[in-house]
Amino acid sequence: RKEVEQDPGPFNVPEGATVAFNCTYSNSASQSFFWYRQDCRKEPKLLMSVYSSGNEDGRFTAQLNRASQYISLLIRDSKLSDSATYLCVVNKGSNYQLIWGAGTKLIIKP
Amino acid sequence: NAGVMQNPRHLVRRRGQEARLRCSPMKGHSHVYWYRQLPEEGLKFMVYLQKENIIDESGMPKERFSAEFPKEGPSILRIQQVVRGDSAAYFCASSNNYEQYFGPGTRLTVT
Repeated sequence: RKEVEQDPGPFNVPEGATVAFNCTYSNSASQSFFWYRQDCRKEPKLLMSVYSSGNEDGRFTAQLNRASQYISLLIRDSKLSDSATYLCVVNKGSNYQLIWGAGTKLIIKP
Repeated sequence: NAGVMQNPRHLVRRRGQEARLRCSPMKGHSHVYWYRQLPEEGLKFMVYLQKENIIDESGMPKERFSAEFPKEGPSILRIQQVVRGDSAAYFCASSNNYEQYFGPGTRLTVT
């Protein structure tokens, strides 16, 4: 089993729709969780950290379910510019190393 | 407040030559990470360094690859005797906690 698993997609979604991704992780001791986005041929960029209580940043909402060991990302009112690969990231252990999911590809269609 | 800098952005090497990739972390960051990404594939961890120390090099091929992060100057990823399979994007990230910030990457092409 992979340490961080994501549905690779692609998710083809019409503009304006709501889309949600899930990600599961295997290490129950993980404490820090993130979503990054990566545009084609560009570097990954931090989208948001995921906190235990859940957090929202504009159209983006992240949730953490420790019991089931999954993280979710919800995008409301999707824009064409949201088209990207979304990477689920979890801390590895006691140092600052991260474990990266393979990413979920999102395509927003006009 | 400059972000993570990488150079060169593009590097072309013939098979058998050496490639040197440089990464200057964000100001105040003492942790550096190198990743490799093949076309249409995910990010693969290579090595994690702090100043003058290699913390984890479990993702680094045993031969031809080495990395350093000296007390002064940028982190260097060195690939000796490059082969076609080394062609990829190499990203460097830096952090002072769990949040990693990436440089624009070096695209290595081996001809």
